[in-house]
Amino acid sequence: DIVLTQAPLSVSVTPGESASISCRSSKSLLSSKGITSLYWYLQRPGKSPQLLIYQMSNLASGVPDRFSSSGSETDFTLKISKVETEDVGVYYCGHRLEYPFTFGSGTKLEIK
Amino acid sequence: EVKLLESGGGLVQPGGSMRLSCAASGFTFTDFYMNWIRQPAGKAPEWLGFIRNKANGYTTEYNPSVKGRFTISRDNTQNMLYLQMNTLRAEDTATYYCTRLGDFDYWGQGVMVTVSS
Repeated sequence: DIVLTQAPLSVSVTPGESASISCRSSKSLLSSKGITSLYWYLQRPGKSPQLLIYQMSNLASGVPDRFSSSGSETDFTLKISKVETEDVGVYYCGHRLEYPFTFGSGTKLEIK
Repeated sequence: EVKLLESGGGLVQPGGSMRLSCAASGFTFTDFYMNWIRQPAGKAPEWLGFIRNKANGYTTEYNPSVKGRFTISRDNTQNMLYLQMNTLRAEDTATYYCTRLGDFDYWGQGVMVTVSS
């Protein structure tokens, strides 16, 4: 199985500041079709996960452009600019390159 | 509006069986792959498997962690997705989500399954 390793475990951010979360894959997530199969999710407290980013750098519908993502074939970064209180929750990376799809262990974002 | 509504969770004894259901609405059900994902409390989600769409013959893929114990099926006349879980273990305790994954995901609200004596 592909292992996704996230860092840090948690991050505390002042509103208006930026935050970055890292996700490292044990295998290249670049598919034969040239798509990088890396996804980012936010799970707000008590809610289902919601998709933020698909195929490494594409913003999902309705997601504010304060969220952005970049990376290579194995190393990825989610950046949240101008953090707001509604951004609190656990962020997960995940892949859909091959079976089984897997998720990282999560990064908890808190507000200072 | 796309809606996914899970049901059928609860308490089950180790070794027992349970079937979860997911009622889908707001889209052409037969056009889409449908997935089950679970999440133990305080842990990361775990993809369990999916059932393909009509164009791909409604075939299935499973996570090896549950293959042989869990079965995903669908009733396309009722727009229903199912997860049959057999020989349940304590480590199957989790919230189970019905999901439609894509460039935009849809997740149900989840249903809790507790495996305990």
